[in-house]
Amino acid sequence: GIQVEQSPPDLILQEGANSTLRCNFSDSVNNLQWFHQNPWGQLINLFYIPSGTKQNGRLSATTVATERYSLLYISSSQTTDSGVYFCAVSFWNQGGKLIFGQGTELSVKP
Amino acid sequence: DAGVIQSPRHEVTEMGQEVTLRCKPISGHNSLFWYRQTMMRGLELLIYFNNNVPIDDSGMPEDRFSAKMPNASFSTLKIQPSEPRDSAVYFCASRPPGQGNEQFFGPGTRLTVL
Repeated sequence: GIQVEQSPPDLILQEGANSTLRCNFSDSVNNLQWFHQNPWGQLINLFYIPSGTKQNGRLSATTVATERYSLLYISSSQTTDSGVYFCAVSFWNQGGKLIFGQGTELSVKP
Repeated sequence: DAGVIQSPRHEVTEMGQEVTLRCKPISGHNSLFWYRQTMMRGLELLIYFNNNVPIDDSGMPEDRFSAKMPNASFSTLKIQPSEPRDSAVYFCASRPPGQGNEQFFGPGTRLTVL
């Protein structure tokens, strides 16, 4: 079955709007990371968050490991936030490799 | 630190040619991962090494693909012979000791096989 599921698959926002991206996963994890893939294809580490809540500027993330989901919040979005956001997890029984979701493609319009 | 270094950044080759992708992990990291990104399959693991030893190569598509890690600071991924369906972006990542620790990705190599 699906191991890592992200929603929504696509999102279009007006600059200044807020958004929430969701990641559901199918088993206990020892690692959860959020990435932003920019238009040049680079994977930028946003958060390492197997549990709890973290904030970095306009971005914050929360992982509720017992309920097997994580949320990425983007506030006051900017055009430079556009790109694809990936959630990736490492399951306890799979040796540390990351399993990626299919991503959320975000487009922020000026 | 310079981060994970990959070379070349772009590679265009013809079907049947040998392709070698290179990766230098972050100093002090003891795990190295090779991932591939395609439109059809997304991002998926090909192989990973722990302390220079291959641990899981279940994602390597077929015998045309091979990977080596001769020392803690260098790894190669080789495709021989290459085929058009191998066209993808290949990422290398490294991780400090500890199975659940954060992975850091290189800039990727965009491979096009004509």
